Amino acid sequence: DIQLTQSPSFLSASVGDRVTITCRASQVISTYLAWYQQKPGKVPNLLIYAASTLRSGVPSRFSGSGSGTEFTLTISSLQPEDFATYYCLHLNSYPLTFGGGTKVEIK
Amino acid sequence: EVQLVESGGGLVQPGGSLTLSCAASGFTFSNYWMTWVRQAPGKGPEWVACIKGDERESAYVDSVKGRFTISRDNARNSLYLQINSLRAEDSAVYHCARAGAAADGRYYMDVWGKGTTVTVSS
Repeated sequence: DIQLTQSPSFLSASVGDRVTITCRASQVISTYLAWYQQKPGKVPNLLIYAASTLRSGVPSRFSGSGSGTEFTLTISSLQPEDFATYYCLHLNSYPLTFGGGTKVEIK
Repeated sequence: EVQLVESGGGLVQPGGSLTLSCAASGFTFSNYWMTWVRQAPGKGPEWVACIKGDERESAYVDSVKGRFTISRDNARNSLYLQINSLRAEDSAVYHCARAGAAADGRYYMDVWGKGTTVTVSS
């Protein structure tokens, strides 16, 4: 099974900060990777798919990059509504697996 | 409005069974892969199973193979998950999710239901 390792697992940041979250895959997964945002009590919300494609309606401050085994999610200027937990998910092969998550909290 | 509504969860003893249902509306159900994802309290999501729109292909995470069965009824716009031989570690909120096709040939989970809770305890 492909393992996804996210770093950091916890991040404290201020409004306006640039934030970068990394997701490393245990095997090459091309660009078959998605990023989700989850707020407490809510379901995960798809932000980015195919590693770098911004889902329609998602603010442009979110961006994704990477291929192979290393991927990043960047928030260019953190907004109050962005404080949440972020997960990566690979779709290279079965079983699909999620990363362990990165919780972004207010500094 | 695209909507997914799960039902069928509950408190079950270890070794018991349940059938979860997911009612879909607002889109052409038969055109989409559908998935089940579960999330235990305080944990991240875990992909459980998926099924193709025409039911010709399905897949499962290893930990549920032989115990869980995913199925669908396109005439009723409904997705199901039959879960048998339940274990404590199966306790979670179970979400159904639609998987939309992307240009890269993969199917990304883009719409999620709020979930139904399964608790396995004696």
